[in-house]
This record gives sequence, C-alpha cells and structure tokens, in this order.
Amino acid sequence: RKEVEQDPGPFNVPEGATVAFNCTYSNSASQSFFWYRQDCRKEPKLLMSVYSSGNEDGRFTAQLNRASQYISLLIRDSKLSDSATYLCVGGLGGSQGNLIFGKGTKLSVKP
Amino acid sequence: DAGVTQSPTHLIKTRGQQVTLRCSPKSGHDTVSWYQQALGQGPQFIFQYYEEEERQRGNFPDRFSGHQFPNYSSELNVNALLLGDSALYLCASSLQGGGDEQFFGPGTRLTVL
Repeated sequence: RKEVEQDPGPFNVPEGATVAFNCTYSNSASQSFFWYRQDCRKEPKLLMSVYSSGNEDGRFTAQLNRASQYISLLIRDSKLSDSATYLCVGGLGGSQGNLIFGKGTKLSVKP
Repeated sequence: DAGVTQSPTHLIKTRGQQVTLRCSPKSGHDTVSWYQQALGQGPQFIFQYYEEEERQRGNFPDRFSGHQFPNYSSELNVNALLLGDSALYLCASSLQGGGDEQFFGPGTRLTVL
C-alpha cells in the first residue's frame, strides 16, 4: 500500500464548479500535511498547509482528519487557471524531513 | 529574493554515463532535498543535506550521491546511468527547525538514451 494515496482522476469540470480532492495516508507518524499544485512540466508549488482545525484560503479549503488519516481539498467556483495537477503531501517532521507525495490528481477546468 | 535555482534545465546522456546536477537554495535556507519525478508520478525523495552531511536517504541505490557546500548549495551525482533514470530531478530548499515546508526549484529534466 502506498504511503499517500489520492483519487486517480482526471477531473474534468466546467468553470464555476466545486471540486473535492481526497487523500489518505498510511503512516500515523506523519505530522504535517500539504497540498501542492503542479502545472505541466513545472515544479510543484505549495498551495496550502493542512491543519486539523481546517484552513481556508479564498476559494480553497483544506481539512485533515487524523483519526481517519484522511486529507481533503475543496475548490469552490473553479477557474480555468485552476487547471493543474494537485499533489497531496505528508511530512514526518523533526529530523525526518522528507516529504511523501501522492501520485497527484489532474484537474481540467473547461469553459 | 532569489528562489531555488537549478542547472542545467535539460540534459541528455547515454546509458553508463555519469551526470552532475546543481542546486542553489532559497536565500536564508540551509537544507536541500532532492527528489526524482518520473512521468505521471509524484516526486520521490532521494536524500536530504544539512550542514554538508547527508541526513536522510530514500530508497535509491548508491549510484545516487550528493554533496552540500558551505554556501548551502548542493549537487546530485548519478553514476552508471540507466534508461529508468530519465526523469525530472527536483531540488527543494527549507530551513531546519522551520517546519516541513519545502520550496522547489524548476528542476532538471534528464533524458537517458
């Protein structure tokens, strides 16, 4: 079983739609979680960190459920510019500084 | 404030050759991590350097080695290249004790023929 698993996608949605990405992780020692966005042939860029209390940044809302080892990302009122691959990421923290990436879910927002 | 920079941007090598990739971290960062991203996959952790030492290593063979310099820049070396080493190699910088957030460079796309 992969350490971080995501919806396989791709997601094809019209502009203005609400999109939800789900992710599960298997390592209960994971301490920090992130969503990264990666455009085609570009590097991953940090979209937002994910906290148990949930956090919101404009149209984006991220949620962490430690009991279920589940992470989500909600995009409201999707824009054409949201088209990208979204990577769910876990970190072990402390001296275990590497990030563990999911395979990514591709989102295409159509006009 | 310069972000993470990597060189070269693209590289073509043949099987059996050796390659060196370079990375300069974001200003103020002291830790460099290297990742390999094959087509259609998420990045996979290779190793991390801090204080000029390899602090942690992922599941990669000894053909993959690295170095960190006093100015925090880093190199990734791959010996005896295989076709399967073709990938995007990403460098990420961070600050020890600053949380797990890592900032990625544009990557080096390596093609092995």
